[in-house]
Amino acid sequence: EPEVTQTPSHQVTQMGQEVILRCVPISNHLYFYWYRQILGQKVEFLVSFYNNEISEKSEIFDDQFSVERPDGSNFTLKIRSTKLEDSAMYFCASRYDIPAGQPQHFGDGTRLSIL
Amino acid sequence: KQEVTQIPAALSVPEGENLVLNCSFTDSAIYNLQWFRQDPGKGLTSLLLIQSSQREQTSGRLNASLDKSSGRSTLYIAASQPGDSATYLCAVPYSGGGADGLTFGKGTHLIIQP
Repeated sequence: EPEVTQTPSHQVTQMGQEVILRCVPISNHLYFYWYRQILGQKVEFLVSFYNNEISEKSEIFDDQFSVERPDGSNFTLKIRSTKLEDSAMYFCASRYDIPAGQPQHFGDGTRLSIL
Repeated sequence: KQEVTQIPAALSVPEGENLVLNCSFTDSAIYNLQWFRQDPGKGLTSLLLIQSSQREQTSGRLNASLDKSSGRSTLYIAASQPGDSATYLCAVPYSGGGADGLTFGKGTHLIIQP
């Protein structure tokens, strides 16, 4: 069964450094998402992306964050200058088409640790 | 702002029992609700998606119901097995309307004792 893949599985970065998290969504999916989960807390929505532009973002997704679909298969999340509080599990998700009908499929996540 | 609450936070039952997990949401203007399973250190696995026009959805031993007007959903697990042990998450669209980033509950941590 097709799946969403994320790399790396664990990323350790010094505070203040830039980090790029990578995702390969399911190939025929059109909508892409990033979520994060701080240890012991809820999964939180960051941003959704459709037709090469952001369609929705939460208040967490400030100017330090950006997303890109650099080619036909990858979807990336960049954090420009990481802070300690950015330490979390970051999940990528994708779905096929019509909003009401299709579930979002999640990757296994990238654990980001900021030192 | 949409808020999702799940009760109970944790549940431990012997194998074979039927059980019910509860989810409530504050804004009833949703067009679907999704139940997920999360295993430790893993991503989220989609279990069931219920459209706002549906009252329930079934997959194997799982049955999810939705009462949109009262802001509630339940996940029923029949004949529980140790492999069902996981955290179960309920999620609804973020803005409660046409957008579809998901708002999650904290989950129910389920342990099925062999």
